[in-house]
Amino acid sequence: AAGVIQSPRHLIKEKRETATLKCYPIPRHDTVYWYQQGPGQDPQFLISFYEKMQSDKGSIPDRFSAQQFSDYHSELNMSSLELGDSALYFCASSLSRVQMNTEAFFGQGTRLTVV
Amino acid sequence: AQKVTQAQTEISVVEKEDVTLDCVYETRDTTYYLFWYKQPPSGELVFLIRRNSFDEQNEISGRYSWNFQKSTSSFNFTITASQVVDSAVYFCALSLTGFQKLVFGTGTRLLVSP
Repeated sequence: AAGVIQSPRHLIKEKRETATLKCYPIPRHDTVYWYQQGPGQDPQFLISFYEKMQSDKGSIPDRFSAQQFSDYHSELNMSSLELGDSALYFCASSLSRVQMNTEAFFGQGTRLTVV
Repeated sequence: AQKVTQAQTEISVVEKEDVTLDCVYETRDTTYYLFWYKQPPSGELVFLIRRNSFDEQNEISGRYSWNFQKSTSSFNFTITASQVVDSAVYFCALSLTGFQKLVFGTGTRLLVSP
C-alpha cells in the first residue's frame, strides 16, 4: 500500500540558508500535518492543511511557511535556518472528510541538520 | 488544553518479560482519541492503536494489549513476552474530535536485552 512520502530523507544546511521539505500524502487523503521532533523530544505540531487550506497552526516559527498544492502534496519552507532547527520533520496525512475520522499515517521523516 | 504524561522515561527489561508503559492524559473534552506510536531507532513513527473516548473496551493484538480507563484518565500499553525488536521509544498521544493535531507525551524508551 502507498505510504506518505517525504523528501529528502536527509538534508544538511548551513545557518541562514533556506530549506524546502516536501510531503506526498497517501492518495485520496485530504489532510496533511507537519511535526517537528527535536533530539530526544516528542513531536511537536507545526501546521496542518485540509483541502489545501490551512486548518490549524501550532508552534511554527515565523521563518517557516507551508502550503498544500492542488495535487495535495505539501511543502514546508524554512528560511534563515538556525542551529536549533536541526530536527526530524514528519509529515502525516489522513482522510478527514465529513464524519470520518481515521488515524494519521506518518512519513519516514526528513532529518534536517543545520551546521 | 490537552496534556499527555508518560512518567516512565526509560524502561529496561530482559527478553520474554512483560512490560507496561503508562500513559495519563488530561482534557476537558468529552470526545477525544488516544493513540500509541512506536518509534524504532530508524526514526519513523509507527501507528499502533487508536481508541476513542467512548470505547473503553480493552484491546489485544498479538503480544500487545491496551487498557483504557476513563476513571483514571489512563491508557496503558502492555507488551507480553517482550522481544529485542520491541526496543524503541513509545509515544502516547491525544487528539480531539475529528482528526486534529496530536499532542504527544514525552515518550518512554524501552530497552529489551537478550
